[in-house]
Amino acid sequence: AQSVTQPDIHITVSEGASLELRCNYSYGATPYLFWYVQSPGQGLQLLLKYFSGDTLVQGIKGFEAEFKRSQSSFNLRKPSVHWSDAAEYFCAVGARSSASKIIFGSGTRLSIRP
Amino acid sequence: DTAVSQTPKYLVTQMGNDKSIKCEQNLGHDTMYWYKQDSKKFLKIMFSYNNKELIINETVPNRFSPKSPDKAHLNLHINSLELGDSAVYFCASSHSLGRDGNQPQHFGDGTRLSIL
Repeated sequence: AQSVTQPDIHITVSEGASLELRCNYSYGATPYLFWYVQSPGQGLQLLLKYFSGDTLVQGIKGFEAEFKRSQSSFNLRKPSVHWSDAAEYFCAVGARSSASKIIFGSGTRLSIRP
Repeated sequence: DTAVSQTPKYLVTQMGNDKSIKCEQNLGHDTMYWYKQDSKKFLKIMFSYNNKELIINETVPNRFSPKSPDKAHLNLHINSLELGDSAVYFCASSHSLGRDGNQPQHFGDGTRLSIL
């Protein structure tokens, strides 16, 4: 069964600074990987996904993530954060079978320092 | 033009009551899900339906009963509510899991259930 770990519970960065949120997964084959963002009081919105091909994936809102098989990681990055990026970020992993489910990490809360 | 809509947004009720949460999607998806998010933001799947058929049923008390009258709707009925049921419940939808493995899911805004 697949699993996903987000080692950072809470991260604070200054507005305009770069950001990297860590995600490590466990799965026996190449997984499907996702990053979602949750703003307060709202549902989750998909930022980007990796299914196959280019390991550097571009998403919405200027985010990108890189799939590194050797490190079992799928870290989320943004070169310059904005105050509106403050939210909860979830990494998720899915297996390549028709009846599987997506497993979500425990989330990383991002705060932006003015 | 809301894609995945849940009602109600807030639900405050007493222990022992029975309540329902409704979910509708207008994205043309054929798979729908219910998730529970606890106070620590941990998100756990409860159920998944594909074309009105139950395909994922996690270890959830049988007080929780999902019902899918058609592909666009997945309702959640909860009997004999307990304090531990307090959480935010999210509905989500996606294209069929079988088409290309896991498809991205679109989430509703959640229903915040508080048990007194």
